[in-house]
Amino acid sequence: AQSVTQLDSHVSVSEGTPVLLRCNYSSSYSPSLFWYVQHPNKGLQLLLKYTSAATLVKGINGFEAEFKKSETSFHLTKPSAHMSDAAEYFCVVTYLTNTGNQFYFGTGTSLTVIP
Amino acid sequence: DSGVTQTPKHLITATGQRVTLRCSPRSGDLSVYWYQQSLDQGLQFLIQYYNGEERAKGNILERFSAQQFPDLHSELNLSSLELGDSALYFCASSVVGGMKDTQYFGPGTRLTVL
Repeated sequence: AQSVTQLDSHVSVSEGTPVLLRCNYSSSYSPSLFWYVQHPNKGLQLLLKYTSAATLVKGINGFEAEFKKSETSFHLTKPSAHMSDAAEYFCVVTYLTNTGNQFYFGTGTSLTVIP
Repeated sequence: DSGVTQTPKHLITATGQRVTLRCSPRSGDLSVYWYQQSLDQGLQFLIQYYNGEERAKGNILERFSAQQFPDLHSELNLSSLELGDSALYFCASSVVGGMKDTQYFGPGTRLTVL
């Protein structure tokens, strides 16, 4: 079965320190992987995506993620957290199956940034 | 602003009732997706349409149905509503609907079933 696991439901960092949000997936298909961010009372916004090109993907607002097939991971990082990064982050895996596209969302990681 | 619009923003109704949620995709996008976000189930993919045709199905209940019209807007119909259907329903759109497509999400419709 396909699935995606976000290893931390909540992460708290100080402003200016690095951010690491972890995501692992399981799949017997070749996936595409995405990170989306959701600010309170807003829809989701794409941060970055991996679609089988470069394994290190750079996104908006200084975020990046590395696709590691051997570890089935797609962790999200940022060198220096900003107050505006406080939000909910979702790792998303998509697959093309014989019944069509399937989209799986992780349970989300809530990021708190401490001033 | 993603360019995807959803109406209404909020909907309060009673058990057993039927409601319709509406979504207008970004200009030029041919594919529309519906998602349900609830506290106990998280974000779940319900269904995808591409240019009026159903493209993929996720965890959509039989009481729920959707369609995409010739002008590409989409409606999600929820019937025989139960308390557990209370959730935030998101619509997203993308250009061609492939698995690598970036999806642009609307602000959501919050459904409360009393």
